[in-house]
Amino acid sequence: GAGVSQSPRYKVAKRGQDVALRCDPISGHVSLFWYQQALGQGPEFLTYFQNEAQLDKSGLPSDRFFAERPEGSVSTLKIQRTQQEDSAVYLCASSRGVMETQYFGPGTRLLVL
Amino acid sequence: AQRVTQPEKLLSVFKGAPVELKCNYSYSGSPELFWYVQYSRQRLQLLLRHISRESIKGFTADLNKGETSFHLKKPFAQEEDSAMYYCALSPINPQGGSEKLVFGKGTKLTVNP
Repeated sequence: GAGVSQSPRYKVAKRGQDVALRCDPISGHVSLFWYQQALGQGPEFLTYFQNEAQLDKSGLPSDRFFAERPEGSVSTLKIQRTQQEDSAVYLCASSRGVMETQYFGPGTRLLVL
Repeated sequence: AQRVTQPEKLLSVFKGAPVELKCNYSYSGSPELFWYVQYSRQRLQLLLRHISRESIKGFTADLNKGETSFHLKKPFAQEEDSAMYYCALSPINPQGGSEKLVFGKGTKLTVNP
């Protein structure tokens, strides 16, 4: 079956621009996670949804970052007024539920100039 | 604080040689531990997790609570094992909540012919 998909795969933004990154989880997966992976680093947790409820947003680095999953399926990560330090690969993962395996998407590579 | 340390950024072995990728963790409770792998131009995928005690592609990992380690081992490395390997932990929270993954920085394994 289809895995987790993300779009766009690449995004170049000018400093100060707003960007929106989309994640389509595996159908029926209850849990959805966003991670940020800077160059040469491991992925770092940003936020977690269980269905449409955002249960953990402790990893969001600033109030410029906002995530939503209004119908409990597709999720969007929005970054306002992008800064150069936001340049990273943004990974989305989904799982069937508590303590189930997380399946990762291909990531969106964001470059802020 | 939750932390995963992978001391080797790069590891190079010859085909047929044993390989061990080191992982140490810091967590006050009982975490679930994982190894994820990313082959060239592919997405991050689960290799194995401690709770399932499976051997995948000849790899095994033993949890040593005394040394807080979860090293990944394979007795005879193959060229197709060349990839980026990430150790990760997920806190086990009896009250539920976020099962976020905390990743190490990764080890790039190269298996030479």
